[in-house]
Amino acid sequence: EVQLVESGGGLIQPGGSLRLSCAASGFTVSNNYMSWVRQAPGKGLEWVSVIYSDGRISYADSVKGRFTISRDNSKNMVYLQMNSLRAEDTAVYYCAVIPDPWGQGTLVTVSS
Amino acid sequence: QSALTQPASVSGSPGQSITISCTGTSSDIGGYNYVSWYQQHPGKAPKVMIYDVSKRPSGVSNRFSGSKSGNTASLTISGLQAEDEADYYCSSYASSSTYVFGSGTKVTVL
Repeated sequence: EVQLVESGGGLIQPGGSLRLSCAASGFTVSNNYMSWVRQAPGKGLEWVSVIYSDGRISYADSVKGRFTISRDNSKNMVYLQMNSLRAEDTAVYYCAVIPDPWGQGTLVTVSS
Repeated sequence: QSALTQPASVSGSPGQSITISCTGTSSDIGGYNYVSWYQQHPGKAPKVMIYDVSKRPSGVSNRFSGSKSGNTASLTISGLQAEDEADYYCSSYASSSTYVFGSGTKVTVL
């Protein structure tokens, strides 16, 4: 069964760091375009970052310079390192292969 | 990286057809045939309903269809049913190897 499971979310103070993990099963992350997409409470979907099968990486302007996407092919996992977190980064973060599949999401709350 | 433009809300009676538009630019929708549509119920992850402009994943009702003309994509739901009430988002591959999502449309079944 093809599945994505995110973990690592939680409550973090402004300026802090957090690393999200995404475990894939049923397919190989290195052969796919792995994205992170977030959704602030009551708001729409916002694309955050992607790592392509050839290793190319792109970021949304809103997170460029603060977030870093990576993958571990041996563990079949994708990560999102989030630094210098701000209140506006509060959201459910989804790991996804656009358009499918998507994980269930992990909540990140940035608050003092 | 501006969000694609969708109407905030669309409504229809059971059995009717509705269409949701998604307007972008030549750098996203107009430039690529990688438009997807997602259905999202409260508290749930998005579910793809249409991909590559007009392709329907297995298991998705044929009441859902997609199309594109120029910089605007559209999702049509025919034979509207109560379970179709949800938020709908479009997305497109964009220049500089990025993606962009639409602002979202709340569909209400009257």
